[in-house]
Amino acid sequence: DTGVSQNPRHKITKRGQNVTFRCDPISEHNRLYWYRQTLGQGPEFLTYFQNEAQLEKSRLLSDRFSAERPKGSFSTLEIQRTEQGDSAMYLCASSLVKLRGLYNEQFFGPGTRLTVL
Amino acid sequence: EDQVTQSPEALRLQEGESSSLNCSYTVSGLRGLFWYRQDPGKGPEFLFTLYSAGEEKEKERLKATLTKKESFLHITAPKPEDSATYLCAVPLIYNQGGKLIFGQGTELSVKP
Repeated sequence: DTGVSQNPRHKITKRGQNVTFRCDPISEHNRLYWYRQTLGQGPEFLTYFQNEAQLEKSRLLSDRFSAERPKGSFSTLEIQRTEQGDSAMYLCASSLVKLRGLYNEQFFGPGTRLTVL
Repeated sequence: EDQVTQSPEALRLQEGESSSLNCSYTVSGLRGLFWYRQDPGKGPEFLFTLYSAGEEKEKERLKATLTKKESFLHITAPKPEDSATYLCAVPLIYNQGGKLIFGQGTELSVKP
């Protein structure tokens, strides 16, 4: 399977614990995005990487959230001291951007469903 | 403010009953509009990209069209397997990052 993969698919944790999610993008894609989606809403942007550089973070991304993409390959999203409000589906997407100003489609992974008790 | 709005929020159809979903947007300098399909508990699945007003794309029973202010997803003779949430999204360009702004989605239910 050459699509975007995410692990784990589901995570249940207690409030105050730390959690880490992993995303493996499509291998030739140079951009990687993280989004968060709550029930009945469209995905909301969190952050994105161009190769290994993190170029933008949303205001939604508090200091408890950190993301990395070492060597421009897979990415991790860590949430420290989880709160019940962090419960959501965390989605990863990747795209291949060749031309400046032309935005190619983003391909999404299956998501990680986080439940904070 | 950049915004994407979809209507209706939910749509119930009988099998074979054609209809359209709407996506209106207010962004400066549109650089594409994307349609996705999302099944419960799964990530969005890419359907179409539209780049300019007047453009149309088709895939099986789905056809997407784009004007300067909105996009339509036309569903012709839908089947129960077309039941899903349909999302539209536009990329923001001010920082050249291309992050997507999504609408809230239209939940489509097709009954046999």
